[in-house]
Amino acid sequence: QQQVKQSPQSLIVQKGGIPIINCAYENTAFDYFPWYQQFPGKGPALLIAIRPDVSEKKEGRFTISFNKSAKQFSLHIMDSQPGDSATYFCAASKETSGSRLTFGEGTQLTVNP
Amino acid sequence: GAVVSQHPSRVICKSGTSVKIECRSLDFQATTMFWYRQFPKQSLMLMATSNEGSKATYEQGVEKDKFLINHASLTLSTLTVTSAHPEDSSFYICSARVAGLQPQHFGDGTRLSIL
Repeated sequence: QQQVKQSPQSLIVQKGGIPIINCAYENTAFDYFPWYQQFPGKGPALLIAIRPDVSEKKEGRFTISFNKSAKQFSLHIMDSQPGDSATYFCAASKETSGSRLTFGEGTQLTVNP
Repeated sequence: GAVVSQHPSRVICKSGTSVKIECRSLDFQATTMFWYRQFPKQSLMLMATSNEGSKATYEQGVEKDKFLINHASLTLSTLTVTSAHPEDSSFYICSARVAGLQPQHFGDGTRLSIL
């Protein structure tokens, strides 16, 4: 019940395309859903996060869509650039558990020039 | 703001030695720090959670006597891999947060290679 399922495992788009990465969770107690970006040899960096009281959040070129009834959330990257090529992780946590994050399996995104 | 510094970034050492990794929150007080392990092309696996001034809570399957965690101050946590062996080679990442607040802020990781 603590799992977060992420898809696809890898994704290749052309520059300017809109890659979409999806995550699904089972635990309805989760109340915080961040997305992290990780470059090779580096730690994850927070991109954007959402809470269940909103269905969409946008920050720059990154948008999270959240469907509470379906227990799914997704990351959209508008006008993708080669510099966006990285591994993306979704995660989920519940505050009362001390905020330990449960990570998805990761998606390796490649944006071709 | 919210910078987490991890040191060293890379360690190569012989089997049987102990290795200490430091995790510092540079511009905030981290009441909670987390230690993760990541194998190539895999996700982050939580090893343990440490709160300042108390014993760390280890995840199931993580040997607490092998992976010693100390969180003696609000800005520093250390992970010591004792008697390291080649199977301990991995990418170790720490994160830190202020109690009751999101998000977790991650360090840049330590690449540990045991020969």
